[in-house]
Parts: sequence; structure tokens; C-alpha cells
Amino acid sequence: AQRVTQPEKLLSVFKGAPVELKCNYSYSGSPELFWYVQYSRQRLQLLLRHISRESIKGFTADLNKGETSFHLKKPFAQEEDSAMYYCAPTGRASSYKLIFGSGTRLLVRP
Amino acid sequence: GAVVSQHPSRVICKSGTSVKIECRSLDFQATTMFWYRQFPKKSLMLMATSNEGSKATYEQGVEKDKFLINHASLTLSTLTVTSAHPEDSSFYICSARELAGNEQFFGPGTRLTVL
Repeated sequence: AQRVTQPEKLLSVFKGAPVELKCNYSYSGSPELFWYVQYSRQRLQLLLRHISRESIKGFTADLNKGETSFHLKKPFAQEEDSAMYYCAPTGRASSYKLIFGSGTRLLVRP
Repeated sequence: GAVVSQHPSRVICKSGTSVKIECRSLDFQATTMFWYRQFPKKSLMLMATSNEGSKATYEQGVEKDKFLINHASLTLSTLTVTSAHPEDSSFYICSARELAGNEQFFGPGTRLTVL
């Protein structure tokens, strides 16, 4: 079965500290991995996807197929990064449905 | 970027009535749209997959006669909550997937309150 595990419900860091939001997945075949972010009172939006290998808002994520992980990292967290973050694979095995994890709430304190 | 709209943004209705929520892809064609429920401080729960021109595919535990989905065109899908009850009160979110590509674009959501 397709499954995503985001072990941290809440991650609280101080401004300027490094942050890593963990994501492990179980998925048949070769999924495409996404990180979506939901800021307070805003819609879900794409943060980054593994195939683009971009850095968005200072965030990066590397797909580790051996460990089936897609952890999200940022070296210096900012207060405006406070939001809900969702890791989600998709692909043919899930009929192109996004498989959402439970999400991690990131709180960046001043 | 691609934009998805939802209408209405919030609706309050009496128990027993039906409510229709629209989801539109504004600047792209979407062969597939998805409908989710989101409870407060919780993740999204997929309800159904809506394919243009065919019947929707519902997730396990979602009543298809309760939540009617119509995807009449490549830019519009509707969700009708029939005979709504207070337990149907929730935040309903749609997303749309482009013809090519796996990214989904999300609507702003519709807050349904059933009195």
C-alpha cells in the first residue's frame, strides 16, 4: 500500500536555526515526490518537487530511494516559514492521487 | 501559475438541504480533479477523483449518493452534498491536475456549516 510517514506533528525552532522535516514513504514503482505547504488561512501550494531539484524559499529536499525518504531542509529558518508542511508522492501506482502524510506544523519562533 | 477557484468560499445551510460546490480551473484544462475534506488542524482526506466525462471514483467509506460529483467539462467539477447534516460540516477542498504532469493545483476551499 502507498503510505507516507511524517513523524513530527510539530517542529518548533528559533529563527535562524536549521530545520529538517522528515518524510518517509512506501510506494510501488517510481513515484514523483512533492512537498506542499499551507500557510495560515491560505490554500495548499506546491513548495517543491523532486524532479526539478530546485531550491524554493531556501528549502531543499533530496530523494533517497534507498531509504525511501524525502526530507525537507532549510539551513536558516525564518518566521514566515511557519506553516503546515505535507509530503506527498504520486504516480501510476496511486492512479496519480497524491498520498498525503499527516503533515508537520513548523513553528519558527523569533 | 495555474489557478483553481472554488465557489462559494463559505456556505451555511439547514439540515436536510443540498449544497453545491464548484471547482474551476481558470487557465488550464484539467482532465482530473480531486475532492478533499480537511478537518481542523488535520491533513487532507481524499474523498473522490473526478474524471472529465466519466463517473467519479470514490474512496473507501465515502458515500457516493451523499456526495455527488459531476465533471462536465475540462475546467469544471461540482460536488453536491445531498441532504446535508451537521456532521457534514467541514472544509472541502478541490484540486486539479493538468493534462500533462503530476502536480495538483489546489482551490482555496469551501467552508460548509450545516445547522
